[in-house]
Amino acid sequence: QLQLQESGPGLVKPSETLSLICTVSGGSMSSGGYHWGWVRQPPGKGLEWIGNVYYRGGAYYSPSLKSRVTISVDTSNNQFSLELSSVTAADTAVYYCARQAGSGLDCWGQGTLVTVSS
Amino acid sequence: QTVVTQEPSFSVSPGGTVTLTCGLSSGSVSSSNSPSWYRQTPGQAPRTLIYSTYTHSSGVPGRFSGSILGNKAALTITGAQADDECDYYCLLYVDSGTNWVFGGGTKLTVL
Repeated sequence: QLQLQESGPGLVKPSETLSLICTVSGGSMSSGGYHWGWVRQPPGKGLEWIGNVYYRGGAYYSPSLKSRVTISVDTSNNQFSLELSSVTAADTAVYYCARQAGSGLDCWGQGTLVTVSS
Repeated sequence: QTVVTQEPSFSVSPGGTVTLTCGLSSGSVSSSNSPSWYRQTPGQAPRTLIYSTYTHSSGVPGRFSGSILGNKAALTITGAQADDECDYYCLLYVDSGTNWVFGGGTKLTVL
């Protein structure tokens, strides 16, 4: 059974870079056919698609975050990562990693809260 | 920037049927937008209900169904139950190859 698990600091200072890792278990990212992505949800608000990456490395990003986001993949460890630079309080959110097929997100991590504060 | 629209809130009686919709600020939704639907209870990760417009995710009961109604994607819940009371989100593919956008979500009340 495929499982995804987010990990990383729960507190990031303003202007610094938020970095998270998603570890995939129960299946290989290299088997192909899927993108691996990130979604976030500010407290009390809706879901926001951040972007995704294919196991060979091609990435796609939301236009609103594109200038600050990097999503990369590490198939040797069956992981993918999110980096979001120059964070502000508006980036405080629960961050979810998810597997994305061409037709939607079909498997989600449990989410991790990242707070931006000094 | 493309905006995906959903009803902010909706209510349904227990046992009743409700249809939630998902539209685009400009243009019509079609199957080429690959509509998918998710439900989320407070403090939990979203759960996938429907993908590719109509297809049920594994383990999702048949009383949830997806469709295209007019110029919008739709999620119909038949025989609403108390535990259907939660938030529902749609996700659309809006640009060729690069961009997916969530709707703002619908808070469903069962009463």
